[in-house]
Amino acid sequence: GAVVSQHPSRVICKSGTSVKIECRSLDFQATTMFWYRQFPKQSLMLMATSNEGSKATYEQGVEKDKFLINHASLTLSTLTVTSAHPEDSSFYICSARHTGRSYEQYFGPGTRLTVT
Amino acid sequence: QKEVEQNSGPLSVPEGAIASLNCTYSDRGSQSFFWYRQYSGKSPELIMFIYSNGDKEDGRFTAQLNKASQYVSLLIRDSQPSDSATYLCASLFGNEKLTFGTGTRLTIIP
Repeated sequence: GAVVSQHPSRVICKSGTSVKIECRSLDFQATTMFWYRQFPKQSLMLMATSNEGSKATYEQGVEKDKFLINHASLTLSTLTVTSAHPEDSSFYICSARHTGRSYEQYFGPGTRLTVT
Repeated sequence: QKEVEQNSGPLSVPEGAIASLNCTYSDRGSQSFFWYRQYSGKSPELIMFIYSNGDKEDGRFTAQLNKASQYVSLLIRDSQPSDSATYLCASLFGNEKLTFGTGTRLTIIP
């Protein structure tokens, strides 16, 4: 149980294009999901918190117009990187908080984005 | 500001020995604590969580919590090479976001 999937696992795109990443909780409901970014050999950096049916809360320094988050259902959140640039290349990881057991938070396998 | 501190390591432990990972947290109101394991190039995987003072055991892993000292630890018994990874400690206050430490890199030497 407690499986979170992400799609795609790896994506290469050209500078200026947009990329959408999906995060799904497969066997539990997640009212709250989180999006992180991690650069090589660095710590996880929380980008935003998304709650089902409401606007995401972005961390300081994260551009909400560049990183669009939609949490349309209790099992799906999406992150769209708009007008991607090479500096957006990173490992994007989502996590989902179990609605019934809020102290449990599970991570998806991550999406490696490369912008050329 | 809530902070979680970990020794970044690397921590090297011989195979079969006990690996001890430590973590301190600044917010006395934090209620739950988590240990995640992250292999290189992979996402974090939840190993254990603890919210009561004392020890909690799960297989080869034991989490220890001391709220008075604001200290959390993870012991790995009979360390295996497959335990080599970065271990992330995190705290949770109420229903807020997790606060992560920077992680401790553990290497098990065969």
